[in-house]
Amino acid sequence: AQSVTQPDIHITVSEGASLELRCNYSYGATPYLFWYVQSPGQGLQLLLKYFSGDTLVQGIKGFEAEFKRSQSSFNLRKPSVHWSDAAEYFCAVGGNAGNMLTFGGGTRLMVKP
Amino acid sequence: DGGITQSPKYLFRKEGQNVTLSCEQNLNHDAMYWYRQDPGQGLRLIYYSQIVNDFQKGDIAEGYSVSREKKESFPLTVTSAQKNPTAFYLCAAMAGGPPNKNIQYFGAGTRLSVL
Repeated sequence: AQSVTQPDIHITVSEGASLELRCNYSYGATPYLFWYVQSPGQGLQLLLKYFSGDTLVQGIKGFEAEFKRSQSSFNLRKPSVHWSDAAEYFCAVGGNAGNMLTFGGGTRLMVKP
Repeated sequence: DGGITQSPKYLFRKEGQNVTLSCEQNLNHDAMYWYRQDPGQGLRLIYYSQIVNDFQKGDIAEGYSVSREKKESFPLTVTSAQKNPTAFYLCAAMAGGPPNKNIQYFGAGTRLSVL
């Protein structure tokens, strides 16, 4: 069965600092990997995705993520965080029949001024 | 404005009552999904449908029902059998072909509370 672990429930960073959110997955084949962001009371917005090819993928809002097959990881990074990045971030894995996604528990990001 | 529309934004259910959450999409996407979100638990799949007139149970289907009579609509009914319905419900849709194949797009959600 596929699963996703986001080890950090909460992270606080200062504005302008770099950010890395961790994501580890378990999947039997080559996974489809996603990062979504959710503002309070809102739906999920796709930040970026990995299907195949280059293991470093670029997304919206200056985010990037790197797929590391040997570590079963797909960590999200941003070199300089803005106050507007405060939100909850979800990593997800998919690719099986029905194209169902399995989500991690989420990481809530807080940004200090 | 294109996308996925969920209504209402807030919904209250009385004891023993069935309530229906609406999800409409104008993306012409084949597959649609319903998720439940509880604090600290991420999203859990309730039901999904890959084509009209067909749907499958997800991980937590008990106490819920769906229909898929039209491609653009996938309503979710929370029945009285669902004893803990208070949650945030998200609907998603996914294209079956390029350029957005395998990407799920989400509505803004419905927050359901019990009176």
